Amino acid sequence: NAGVTQTPKFRILKIGQSMTLQCTQDMNHNYMYWYRQDPGMGLKLIYYSVGAGITDKGEVPNGYNVSRSTTEDFPLRLELAAPSQTSVYFCASSSPGRYEQYFGPGTRLTVT
Amino acid sequence: TQLLEQSPQFLSIQEGENLTVYCNSSSVFSSLQWYRQEPGEGPVLLVTVVTGGEVKKLKRLTFQFGDARKDSSLHITAAQPGDTGLYLCAGAYFGNEKLTFGTGTRLTIIP
Repeated sequence: NAGVTQTPKFRILKIGQSMTLQCTQDMNHNYMYWYRQDPGMGLKLIYYSVGAGITDKGEVPNGYNVSRSTTEDFPLRLELAAPSQTSVYFCASSSPGRYEQYFGPGTRLTVT
Repeated sequence: TQLLEQSPQFLSIQEGENLTVYCNSSSVFSSLQWYRQEPGEGPVLLVTVVTGGEVKKLKRLTFQFGDARKDSSLHITAAQPGDTGLYLCAGAYFGNEKLTFGTGTRLTIIP
């Protein structure tokens, strides 16, 4: 059982470049989330989705976009990378009414 | 902004000692979770507390949810090097599936 998988594991971008962070879960969870974690800090919610075709903004959505065309996949898009987006990005999933969120291993992104 | 403050931010103690980590907020939560995160990995759930005053034990770890459902504590007895990691509390608000994460406590247990 793979759980939540994220690709790539590491990436270096130049300012202004774009990229998509991939997230896939095989637990048939309806809810999926994207967080960023800055050094020594907790997690901040970027976007979340309660099901295919439904997405909503979290605490820090500026500079990001998401889509949810299937239950399994929840990609995060950075259109014009900025140094402030240097962070570790985590994808997570959960079932409705269940408290536990299952996290992927993270993507470490550096924008220079 | 809804905040969960954790204290201490950093803690380094000798193997065998006891410690307590705190998670505080001015908001009321429907439930509160504790996660542990190791370097290079995502957080992993340790426990969920849902009732005010609830105490849960997980081997040497004891979790307590405040009576008013605004705070929580994690107590570790006889800490071991394997307890080293970043401990995160996360609160859920009534009628909301989203979690608000605390600022984290980075714990180091020295052999």
